[in-house]
Amino acid sequence: EAGVAQSPRYKIIEKRQSVAFWCNPISGHATLYWYQQILGQGPKLLIQFQNNGVVDDSQLPKDRFSAERLKGVDSTLKIQPAKLEDSAVYLCASSGQGQGGYTFGSGTRLTVV
Amino acid sequence: QQQVKQSPQSLIVQKGGISIINCAYENTAFDYFPWYQQFPGKGPALLIAIRPDVSEKKEGRFTISFNKSAKQFSLHIMDSQPGDSATYFCAASIYGGSARQLTFGSGTQLTVLP
Repeated sequence: EAGVAQSPRYKIIEKRQSVAFWCNPISGHATLYWYQQILGQGPKLLIQFQNNGVVDDSQLPKDRFSAERLKGVDSTLKIQPAKLEDSAVYLCASSGQGQGGYTFGSGTRLTVV
Repeated sequence: QQQVKQSPQSLIVQKGGISIINCAYENTAFDYFPWYQQFPGKGPALLIAIRPDVSEKKEGRFTISFNKSAKQFSLHIMDSQPGDSATYFCAASIYGGSARQLTFGSGTQLTVLP
């Protein structure tokens, strides 16, 4: 079974620029999550999709962050404009029906300078 | 309260020793408690998980102890090996009607000395 694919692996941008991350979940997994992991902290949920609908985006800074999951498969997370405090690893995860745990991708490390 | 508190922040253990990481939660609606292991440059990977209807679960050298009344759970790594050196996260989960949502602890960086 292929894992959760994320790209790019690394990204360095200047503050106020925009950036986008891509995630391809495990085939057949209906639920997709985006987490933000700041260095030295646990992952924090940004948004949760069920198929192509948003289940929870209560912790997504909607003034600058947006996410979509077209056709209920791939997803993109965008930041515009980026701030220094957005420097973090952005993790994508997916889970299947009835599963307790998630499968995470390797993440995208974003550095905002 | 969705918070999950984890301690210690870092842990150094000699090879062959026992590593113990503790977590506490507030929300009694949590019904699934996984532990994740994360190596540098990788995403967290599910290590072992427990549901609150049992007090202990063992898988190889890894054991979860669960105390429902105290709202605490812990990970024990027996015969710790240098390859176990990683960051460990506890988490707690609620089934939200359509899927589970995990809340993570702050992590414990484990170093096992050879």
